[in-house]
Order: sequence, then structure tokens, then C-alpha cells
Amino acid sequence: DVVMTQSPLSLPVSLGQPASISCRSSQSLVYSDGKTYLNWFHQRPGQPPRRLIYKVSYRDSGVPNRFSGSGSGTDFKLEISRVEAEDVGVYYCMQGTLWPPGTFGQGTKLEIK
Amino acid sequence: VQLVQSGAEVKKPGESLKISCKASGYSFPSFWIGWVRQLPGKGLEWMGIIYPGDSDTRYGPTFQGQVTISADKSISTAYLQWSSLKASDTAIYYCIKHTGSAWEIDSWGQGTLVTVSS
Repeated sequence: DVVMTQSPLSLPVSLGQPASISCRSSQSLVYSDGKTYLNWFHQRPGQPPRRLIYKVSYRDSGVPNRFSGSGSGTDFKLEISRVEAEDVGVYYCMQGTLWPPGTFGQGTKLEIK
Repeated sequence: VQLVQSGAEVKKPGESLKISCKASGYSFPSFWIGWVRQLPGKGLEWMGIIYPGDSDTRYGPTFQGQVTISADKSISTAYLQWSSLKASDTAIYYCIKHTGSAWEIDSWGQGTLVTVSS
């Protein structure tokens, strides 16, 4: 089965500073249709996850444009251009290409320094 | 899209349980719907899914034989059930909806906390 590996697992960031999270898959996430199904989710304490990014780089409706996703094949990145207080929580990458689906990374906990 | 789950449960080891997820805002029979487990203080684990249109059901390796996923398309509701709970089943269970694009997830329920304790 595919393994999703995130780094770092803990990310202290000052307000207004950029942040970056890496996600690496053990297999290529290019699907048979040529597209890559890699999602990013944000989970605040006590809340369900919320999807931020789909198909590597497409922002979901309502997601601030300070969030961006990039990458290809097996290496992906989530970047926040300027961290705000509401961005604290845990970020997960998830592959939606291979079976079994829904393989999540371990999670990256973002906190304000 | 809305996924509204049933409320928190407290059960004893060995008891059975069925939790639910009521879907609205989309064509329920036409999209895979399933469950994700989050153990206390831990990450997310995909459990399995069902296609309500024909009841095709698939499970992740860890959960095969441990739980049963079902759906009633007449009331747009999916279910997750256990026949004999263990303390290690204590977790939050999220209902999730897959998109029509490969296996991406686009919606989550609010979560159901299941506590199993003697």
C-alpha cells in the first residue's frame, strides 16, 4: 500500500511569516486519466477536517489565497504565504489516486510561535 | 452538501452499535460515502465506503471483518456498525463523501464520538 510521509510533524511559525509542509508518497499519484489526486486538509481542535486543496493545486471555495499547493508525481507541498492565527491546527495530505484510497499523512501541527 | 451524524455514544465492551450519517444536498445514490476513524490524539484512518446506488461496499485492510458499512438510499443515510465493541474502538468516527474524481474526499460530517469502557 502507498505510504504518505509528511514533514515537518511540528511547525512553529510567527504570525505573518510563511510556512511550508512537505508530503511525499511512496508511489506515483498520477491516475489513469493523467491527473494527480492529492488533497490537503486542515483540522482545528475539536472540529472535523476541512479540505483546502484538491488535485494538487486547486483551492476549495472559501479558502484564502494565502494557501497554495504544488508538486507532481510523488512530491507535494502546501505553502501558506503569511500565517494568521486562524491557521493553527493539524494539516494532513491525502492521496486519492491509489487503492485503498484515503491514505493520509501523519499530520503536521502548526502552532504560533 | 451536508453530512449530519448521530450523537455521541457510550458503550460497554462486547455491546453492538450502529451509528448513522444523513446526507443532503447531492444525489446520494451516485457518490461513494464512507467512514474515517480518528483515535484519541491521533491521525486519520480511512475505513471503508459504500456506493448507495448498488450497495457495492469496500473496506480498508485494517477494518475488513471488524465493522459493517451499509446505506439506505430511501432516506439518504449511511451507517457504520459493530457487532462486538472493544475498548480499542474508542474514537471519533467521521462520515465522508468521495467526489466523482478518483477517490478524493470533498465533505465531512461533524464526527461521532464512540466511547467503549467497562
